Amino acid sequence: NAGVTQTPKFQVLKTGQSMTLQCAQDMNHNSMYWYRQDPGMGLRLIYYSASEGTTDKGEVPNGYNVSRLNKREFSLRLESAAPSQTSVYFCAASPTGAYEQYFGPGTRLTVT
Amino acid sequence: KNEVEQSPQNLTAQEGEFITINCSYSVGISALHWLQQHPGGGIVSLFMLSSGKKKHGRLIATINIQEKHSSLHITASHPRDSAVYICAVVGGATNKLIFGTGTLLAVQP
Repeated sequence: NAGVTQTPKFQVLKTGQSMTLQCAQDMNHNSMYWYRQDPGMGLRLIYYSASEGTTDKGEVPNGYNVSRLNKREFSLRLESAAPSQTSVYFCAASPTGAYEQYFGPGTRLTVT
Repeated sequence: KNEVEQSPQNLTAQEGEFITINCSYSVGISALHWLQQHPGGGIVSLFMLSSGKKKHGRLIATINIQEKHSSLHITASHPRDSAVYICAVVGGATNKLIFGTGTLLAVQP
C-alpha cells in the first residue's frame, strides 16, 4: 500500500498562474486534509474533508479551493498563485479528526 | 500567544544522552499527537495519547491533562533520531489539529 501520495513533489509557478495539487490515499480513510508549512510556523490547516462529498475551510483558506473527488482523492487548487503561497503543502488522511493522521510526502511550491 | 508551545526550539545532544522535549497547550483537547519530521520533509506520527504514558522502543510520551503539558523523551539517543519533533493537539474551537512550531533535534556522534 502506498499510503498517501502527492503530486507533484516540486513546482515553480509565476504569479497569476494556476495549478492543482493532487492527493490520493489507499487506506479507505474518511477524513482528508490539506496543510501548509512555513518556516517558523506550525503546520496550518487550509481545508479539510470529513467525508466524501463534504469540504470545510480551515485556518488559512483564502486563495485556495478544494475538491473531494471521491473517497480516495482530495485536490487543492490555486486559481491565481501569489508569492505568499510559496510553501510546502502536505496532504493527510485519517479515520476521523481525533485519530492518527497519515501524511503524504509534501509538495514544495515556489511562486515567483 | 500560540495555543501550542514547544520547548526548546532547538536542541543539540551527544549520542547516548537522554532527551526531553516539552509541549504546553492552552486549549481543551481530546488528544495530543507527537510527530517526527526528517530532513527531506516526510512527517510520521509517533504517538497519539489522551492520558498517561505510551512507550515505543526508545521513545516515551507522557501527558498531564490537568497541567496541559506533555513530554516526549528519547532514551539512549542516536544520530538517526535527528529530526524535527512536532506536538499537535486535537481541540480548540474547531476540534482539528493545532500544531506547535516544532523542536529541531540534532544528535551528534
